[in-house]
Parts: sequence; C-alpha cells; structure tokens
Amino acid sequence: GENVEQHPSTLSVQEGDSAVIKCTYSDSASNYFPWYKQELGKGPQLIIDIRSNVGEKKDQRIAVTLNKTAKHFSLHITETQPEDSAVYFCAARSGGYQKVTFGTGTKLQVIP
Amino acid sequence: NAGVTQTPKFQVLKTGQSMTLQCAQDMNHNSMYWYRQDPGMGLRLIYYSASEGTTDKGEVPNGYNVSRLNKREFSLRLESAAPSQTSVYFCASSGQGLNEKLFFGSGTQLSVL
Repeated sequence: GENVEQHPSTLSVQEGDSAVIKCTYSDSASNYFPWYKQELGKGPQLIIDIRSNVGEKKDQRIAVTLNKTAKHFSLHITETQPEDSAVYFCAARSGGYQKVTFGTGTKLQVIP
Repeated sequence: NAGVTQTPKFQVLKTGQSMTLQCAQDMNHNSMYWYRQDPGMGLRLIYYSASEGTTDKGEVPNGYNVSRLNKREFSLRLESAAPSQTSVYFCASSGQGLNEKLFFGSGTQLSVL
C-alpha cells in the first residue's frame, strides 16, 4: 500500500519568514495530493491541493509543488502570520478517498 | 452551513462499555468516512460508506461497527471499548468524482479507562 512520509514533525519560524513542509509518497498510482490545516480542537480543513498533471499551484501565500519523478511534494507558506500556527497534514490519493493516505503531520509555530 | 456535525465532542468510557458516535452531513454527499487520529500516526481510516446502503472496512476496522442510516447519517459503534481505542475520531464526507473535496467534522475525543 501507499506510504506517505512527512517532515519535519515540528517547525518554528519567525513571523514574516517562510515555512516549507515536505512529503514523499511511494505509490506511483497516486494522482491527487491535498494539504490540510488543523487548528486546535478542530477537524482538518483542505487548504490547497494539486493533481499529478500539474507541477506547481499557488493560492495567495501558500503554494504546493510536485515532483512526480522523485515522488516528492511540498507545501510552501510565505510571509507567515501567527494565524498560520496549526498542524499541517499532507496526503496522497489514488482513486477514491478510501484510498487516501495521510502523512503524520507537522506542527507549525509562528513566533510573533 | 453546518457541513459535517459530530456528537458527542468528548466522551469517557470504562473498558467494556459500548457507545455510538454520531455523524451527519448536510452537503448531499454520497460518501462518508470514519477516521481515528493518534499522536504521530496521522489519520487512519476505520470504515467508509461509498454510498447509502454500503459500508466497507478501512485500514483499522477491528473493534468497530458502522451503520449508514441514510444519506445524511453515518454512525460508528464501539461494542466493547478498550484502552487502545482512546483516540480522536473524525467523521468526513465527500461528493462524487475526483474533483470532490473531503470535508471533516470537528472530532470526538474519546478516552477509555
């Protein structure tokens, strides 16, 4: 089955700096890669996603890149703000959501 | 918009007790899911229901049962709770097709003593 590894497990940055979270996956059949943000006491919420036919996608301060050959994908947050502090999960999906595998999460702390 | 609603938010059980976690969605989604979240392990799929009337096992189904009561509601039952089932449980739903997103409820924090 699919294996998704996520690094780092914790990340502290100064407000205004950039943050990068990296994931690798093992199943070449995976073709959809969502990222979720989970705030304390809440459920995960989709913040950005990318499909295997696209190399990069941006939405304001967040961007995701995908390297299919190396089976890597990354989340980039620029100009970080305290409200970006949360746990971020990557995931890889082949087919329906019953075939989605999540990474183990990165706790991001943005220091004012 | 309520989205995905889970009850209860917190629950403490003694080993061997039973309980049912409730989930309802108001987005007319066909598919619903139950996940558990444990520290350092991400989210793992317990059971899912691709459509009304069907349920299937996920990665970690042992000790759980589910019921898709109707299109809106999907419940998770622990028949005889064990300490290993202490976790945060999330219900989620998604619509049809590869373009549909996964929406999560706010979770149930369950402790089994």
